[in-house]
Amino acid sequence: NAGVTQTPKFRILKIGQSMTLQCTQDMNHNYMYWYRQDPGMGLKLIYYSVGAGITDKGEVPNGYNVSRSTTEDFPLRLELAAPSQTSVYFCASSYLGTSGATNTGELFFGEGSRLTVL
Amino acid sequence: AQSVTQLDSHVSVSEGTPVLLRCNYSSSYSPSLFWYVQHPNKGLQLLLKYTSAATLVKGINGFEAEFKKSETSFHLTKPSAHMSDAAEYFCVVSDPDTGRRALTFGSGTRLQVQP
Repeated sequence: NAGVTQTPKFRILKIGQSMTLQCTQDMNHNYMYWYRQDPGMGLKLIYYSVGAGITDKGEVPNGYNVSRSTTEDFPLRLELAAPSQTSVYFCASSYLGTSGATNTGELFFGEGSRLTVL
Repeated sequence: AQSVTQLDSHVSVSEGTPVLLRCNYSSSYSPSLFWYVQHPNKGLQLLLKYTSAATLVKGINGFEAEFKKSETSFHLTKPSAHMSDAAEYFCVVSDPDTGRRALTFGSGTRLQVQP
């Protein structure tokens, strides 16, 4: 069982470069998320998606873009990399039903992508 | 708005002694609460979850947590620490009734286990 797969695991960028972090899940989850984790901090939500074709901003969306063309894939795009975007990025997915009784909110995480911008 | 506060950024225990990691939450609704564990250079893994059923929740690896609404707390405990428990632990709150349905993470508690 692959679960949530992120690529690449490590990347070094120069200021102003662009890149895409890939995320795919094989659990048929409707919700997908991108979080960033800075040292000594909890995870901050960048963007999330409730299903294919639907995305929304989280707490810290500036400098990032996302798309959700399929249920499985949720790539995160950095257009003009800045040193402030040096972080570990986690993709996650979950299944949330329409009934409150089924909404357990359990997330399944990828292993992370460590990005350094110099 | 929901929020979560982990009261200790770092906890150090000796192997075989009890573990207590403290968490307080704030939520406008009846929340779901979680504890996640993160081992070095790994993703986060769910330890246990509270979703309005029994207030004492048992998780993996001998951990448990008790939901106390009157104290707005969800502390994580384990009777006897093992070296393999050394990791970062995150308390997490979810308000499923909000439109966002996202999770709010605490800042984490690093557990160190001394031999």
